[in-house]
Amino acid sequence: EPEVTQTPSHQVTQMGQEVILRCVPISNHLYFYWYRQILGQKVEFLVSFYNNEISEKSEIFDDQFSVERPDGSNFTLKIRSTKLEDSAMYFCASWASGSTDTQYFGPGTRLTVL
Amino acid sequence: EDQVTQSPEALRLQEGESSSLNCSYTVSGLRGLFWYRQDPGKGPEFLFTLYSAGEEKEKERLKATLTKKESFLHITAPKPEDSATYLCASNSGYALNFGKGTSLLVTP
Repeated sequence: EPEVTQTPSHQVTQMGQEVILRCVPISNHLYFYWYRQILGQKVEFLVSFYNNEISEKSEIFDDQFSVERPDGSNFTLKIRSTKLEDSAMYFCASWASGSTDTQYFGPGTRLTVL
Repeated sequence: EDQVTQSPEALRLQEGESSSLNCSYTVSGLRGLFWYRQDPGKGPEFLFTLYSAGEEKEKERLKATLTKKESFLHITAPKPEDSATYLCASNSGYALNFGKGTSLLVTP
């Protein structure tokens, strides 16, 4: 069964450093997403991406965040200068269509900022 | 502003003891109401999508229902392996708006 994969599973970084989280969405899906979940809190939307551009973003997704689809299979989230409060689980999701079916989530990357 | 509220926050059941989880939502232009299961340290696992009031979907011991203001996840004769956090999410655009979840513990 097709699934969303994410690497790494755990990333530890120093405050102020740049990190890149990687995702391989399900191959025939068109919409790609990043969400985050701070420990003990709800899953929060960050950004959606369609047709090689951002289609929607939340207030959380400020200038320190960027997304890219560098090739036909990968989807990345870059955090330019990490802060302590960026520590969270980051989930990638993909969706075949905007109106049917559902978003399928990856296993997540746990980001720890020291 | 779209809101999703889940109750209770936590629920402890004996194996075989049926119950229901509630998800109240206020969304302008609901496109879908989603249920996911999340195990500790894992990503949300899709369970159901409901699109219109009156719709019901079932999967094993789980049944999801939808009204114009609420959705319920009914768990019939739960087993310990049903222990997880159950997440409800609304969708009015392309992003999912999640509730805080109900943490379910089923004891033998």
